[in-house]
Amino acid sequence: GQNIDQPTEMTATEGAIVQINCTYQTSGFNGLFWYQQHAGEAPTFLSYNVLDGLEEKGRFSSFLSRSKGYSYLLLKELQMKDSASYLCAVRDRGNTPLVFGKGTRLSVIA
Amino acid sequence: DTGVSQDPRHKITKRGQNVTFRCDPISEHNRLYWYRQTLGQGPEFLTYFQNEAQLEKSRLLSDRFSAERPKGSFSTLEIQRTEQGDSAMYLCASSAGVHGEAFFGQGTRLTVV
Repeated sequence: GQNIDQPTEMTATEGAIVQINCTYQTSGFNGLFWYQQHAGEAPTFLSYNVLDGLEEKGRFSSFLSRSKGYSYLLLKELQMKDSASYLCAVRDRGNTPLVFGKGTRLSVIA
Repeated sequence: DTGVSQDPRHKITKRGQNVTFRCDPISEHNRLYWYRQTLGQGPEFLTYFQNEAQLEKSRLLSDRFSAERPKGSFSTLEIQRTEQGDSAMYLCASSAGVHGEAFFGQGTRLTVV
């Protein structure tokens, strides 16, 4: 089976750094994706990891450890507009459909 | 081409009616996915096409749901005899390339009353 776990909610302060964790158990592995979704809107692609290590893209970084079935999304210099749900998704083989976690709702407060 | 487009954006229907949604993927994306999302949950996979071939259907997809992608371009998702439990956001996504990240449309929000 497939199981993807991430915290339901997190709160962080504007200007701070927040780390959103994701653990997964899938029959295979061919990539982990992070998406951002604002309320009432479509998910938008943030990052992709297929090899172990850190991928950095501006204020956002994503880390992957395949042996631990673990990833995190790091958001730096938080802004109010970062308040959204962050979805972790895994592709278990080939180019099959992504399997999504339930998402982490991040609230950025002043 | 500005992205994946879905129509309609909102649909309210009475229980027992049939509804059909349309998705136009990004040009040249050969893969098209349908997902369903309810409040507070992540997108849940329904079905997937590569070109015009429907390659996979979720076990969650009852016989009341059918999807097509004629000529490998746009796709339609039909729900027959709608039930209140079908109320959700229906998301379409398309992908291409080595990494194949999925690009999502704005979704169709279905409310069954």
